[in-house]
Parts: sequence; structure tokens; C-alpha cells
Amino acid sequence: ELKVEQNPLFLSMQEGKNYTIYCNYSTTSDRLYWYRQDPGKSLESLFVLLSNGAVKQEGRLMASLDTKARLSTLHITAAVHDLSATYFCAVSSNTGNQFYFGTGTSLTVIP
Amino acid sequence: NAGVMQNPRHLVRRRGQEARLRCSPVKGHSHVYWYRQLPEEGLKFMVYLQKENIIDESGMPKERFSAEFPKEGPSILRIQQVVRGDSAAYFCASSPSLSYEQYFGPGTRLTVT
Repeated sequence: ELKVEQNPLFLSMQEGKNYTIYCNYSTTSDRLYWYRQDPGKSLESLFVLLSNGAVKQEGRLMASLDTKARLSTLHITAAVHDLSATYFCAVSSNTGNQFYFGTGTSLTVIP
Repeated sequence: NAGVMQNPRHLVRRRGQEARLRCSPVKGHSHVYWYRQLPEEGLKFMVYLQKENIIDESGMPKERFSAEFPKEGPSILRIQQVVRGDSAAYFCASSPSLSYEQYFGPGTRLTVT
């Protein structure tokens, strides 16, 4: 079974600081997704990364994918309170039937 | 332009009762996925369906759980004789084709008392 690991699990950071969340996965996959979940809410799609070396940016968030290292990163630049949420990465199986989710990174941005 | 709809949003059942969770995919999407999320955990895949067919149910418990996606109407996740361990958030997602991005519904939060 494909395994997806995220770290850190919990992240508390001050406003204005930068940080990176890491997502490692165990077997070959060329599709990686990042989602955001607010407490009690559903998942909001942030990024879809489809190829090695893909980099996407939206506002203060930037995601990248290295399929050879089986690693994706989500970089946060100059964090603001509104970014407080849980962030999940997910990898699709080779058959595409299912997504495997990481354990999530709970981010709290403090003033 | 409605997204994925799920109902009910909250469901309380006593042990031994049945729970029925409904999911209407994005219009035009024929692929539906069900996931379960326990508190403080990520989502775990349960089942993948296309219209009238179960394609992959490898994540679904063998007993008490069933899913369907009829030709007409929403997809249904059915849990018979619920137990406390079934308490979780159940999310449905849909996509227009295999391996495409999945769009998630708001979830149904099941509480078994």
C-alpha cells in the first residue's frame, strides 16, 4: 500500500515567518495534490502537481514536486493568520482509483 | 454550478441502528469516491464507484458497510448496525474521469451514541 508521510504534524509559527511542510510518499506516482481543511469543513484544493519539477504558486503558498525523490514541499512565505488550517498532501494510486492522504500538518499562525 | 452535495451534514445514530449517507456528485461527474476521516487523522479511502458499478472497495470494511451509485440519484453509503467506532466524518468526492482531481463535498459527521 502506498504510504504518505507529512512533517511536521503540528506547526506553530509567527506571522511574517517562512516555513516548509514536507510530504514523502513510498511508491511511484506522478500526481500529487495539496488540500487545505479548516476545522469542521471540507477539503479545499490548493495545488495539483502533475510532473517532476512542477512548481506552482498561489499567494503566500508555493508547492513543488520531485518525483525522483518522491517528495513534495509546501512553502509558506510571510505567514498570516488566515493561513491557519490543516494541510494535507495526497497521492493518487497508479490505477488512479484512490487517493492516499498524508496525516496532515496542523498549522497555527500566531500574531 | 453546484459542487458535491452531501446530506445529512450531521447524523446521530444509536448503536445498532442503520446510517445512510448520501452524495450527489458534481453535475457530469461519473466517478465517486468515499473517504472516512477519524478525529485528528487524514482521510482514508473506502470505495470508488462509477455509475452502477463498484470499481474498488478495498478500503471498505467487509461487514456492515455497503455503497451504491445507481443510474439515477445520489450515491449512498450505508452502514448497518452502527458501533461507536463508526463515529467519524465521511467525505464524498467526485471527478469527471479517472486520475483527475477530486472535488470534495462538505462531509457527513456521524456520531454513534
